[in-house]
Amino acid sequence: EDQVTQSPEALRLQEGESSSLNCSYTVSGLRGLFWYRQDPGKGPEFLFTLYSAGEEKEKERLKATLTKKESFLHITAPKPEDSATYLCAVQATWNDKLIFGTGTRLQVFP
Amino acid sequence: KAGVTQTPRYLIKTRGQQVTLSCSPISGHRSVSWYQQTPGQGLQFLFEYFSETQRNKGNFPGRFSGRQFSNSRSEMNVSTLELGDSALYLCASSFRRTSTDTQYFGPGTRLTVL
Repeated sequence: EDQVTQSPEALRLQEGESSSLNCSYTVSGLRGLFWYRQDPGKGPEFLFTLYSAGEEKEKERLKATLTKKESFLHITAPKPEDSATYLCAVQATWNDKLIFGTGTRLQVFP
Repeated sequence: KAGVTQTPRYLIKTRGQQVTLSCSPISGHRSVSWYQQTPGQGLQFLFEYFSETQRNKGNFPGRFSGRQFSNSRSEMNVSTLELGDSALYLCASSFRRTSTDTQYFGPGTRLTVL
C-alpha cells in the first residue's frame, strides 16, 4: 500500500536555527513527490515537485531533496513567517491522486 | 491569474441534511480533485474529475458524490450528513491528468455538522 510518513510531527525553532523535515514514502512507482505549505484555515500552497532521486530544488530559505525512500525539506535560517504546517505528498505512476502525510507543524520563534 | 475558488467558505448543517460545495478551477485547468482534511486523518482523497468524467475515487461511502460541468467547474455533494463529516473540504485543480501536473488548492470549505 502506498504510504507517506512525516517526521517530526511538530518542530519548534529559534529564528535563524536551521533544521530539516523528513518525508518517508512507500509507493509502487513514483511519479512525483510534492511539498506544500499550509497556514491555519487556508488551503495548501504549492512549494516544490521532485521527480527522481538526486533531484534538488530551492526557494528562498527552503531546499527540497529526494532519495529513493525519502525526501527532506531543509530550512536555512528560518524566520517567524516560515511558521506553518508543511505537507508532503506522493503521486504514484498508476494513480493520479495525491497521498499525503500528516504534516510537520513548524513554529519559529523570534 | 485567479486561483482556485471555493464556495461557500463556511457552512453549518445538522445531521441528516445534505450539502453541496462548489469549486471553480484555475482558468485553463481541466482536472479537479476533492480532498477531505480532518485533524485525525489529515488530507484524504475523495475523487477526481476530468472532462466531466470521474477518473478516480477514494475510499469514501456513496453519500459522497461529485460532478464536473463543461466549463470545468465542479461540485461535490454529501447526503445524510453525519457528525464525522465535519471537516475542511479542499478542491485542487491541475491543467491535465496525463502528466505530473501540480495540483493547486483552493482555500477550502469548512463544514460543521451539528
